[in-house]
Amino acid sequence: EPEVTQTPSHQVTQMGQEVILRCVPISNHLYFYWYRQILGQKVEFLVSFYNNEISEKSEIFDDQFSVERPDGSNFTLKIRSTKLEDSAMYFCASRPGTSGGSEQFFGPGTRLTVL
Amino acid sequence: EDQVTQSPEALRLQEGESSSLNCSYTVSGLRGLFWYRQDPGKGPEFLFTLYSAGEEKEKERLKATLTKKESFLHITAPKPEDSATYLCAASYYGGATNKLIFGTGTLLAVQP
Repeated sequence: EPEVTQTPSHQVTQMGQEVILRCVPISNHLYFYWYRQILGQKVEFLVSFYNNEISEKSEIFDDQFSVERPDGSNFTLKIRSTKLEDSAMYFCASRPGTSGGSEQFFGPGTRLTVL
Repeated sequence: EDQVTQSPEALRLQEGESSSLNCSYTVSGLRGLFWYRQDPGKGPEFLFTLYSAGEEKEKERLKATLTKKESFLHITAPKPEDSATYLCAASYYGGATNKLIFGTGTLLAVQP
């Protein structure tokens, strides 16, 4: 069964460093998302991506964050200068096109620890 | 403000003891109400989508129902392997791309 994959599973970095989190969405899905979950808190929407551009972003997604789909399979989230409060689980999700249902399928997550 | 509230925060059941989890939503123009299961350290696993009041969906020991203000996840004769956090999420018309607004989840523990 197709699934969303994410790498790495755990990333440890120093404050101020750049990190790139990688995702491979389900093949033939058209909508891509990043969410984050701070320990003990809700899953929060960060950004959605469609047709090679950001379609919606939250207040959390400031200038330190960027997303890219560099090829036909990968979808990345970059944090330019990490802060302690960026420590969280980051989930990638994908969804089929409008005719394929509205369910979002999530990857296993990347645990980001900022020291 | 659009939001999703789940109760209880935690629920402990004996194996075979049926119960229900609640999800209340205040969303302007609900597009879909979603239930996910999340195991510790893992990503949310899709269970159900409900679109309109009165709709019901079933899968094994789980049944999800929807009214105009809330959704219930009924668990019938649960087993220890049903232990997980159950997340409710909503999407709404007016948003550009079906972003999900999540509740804080209900942590379910089923004891043998």
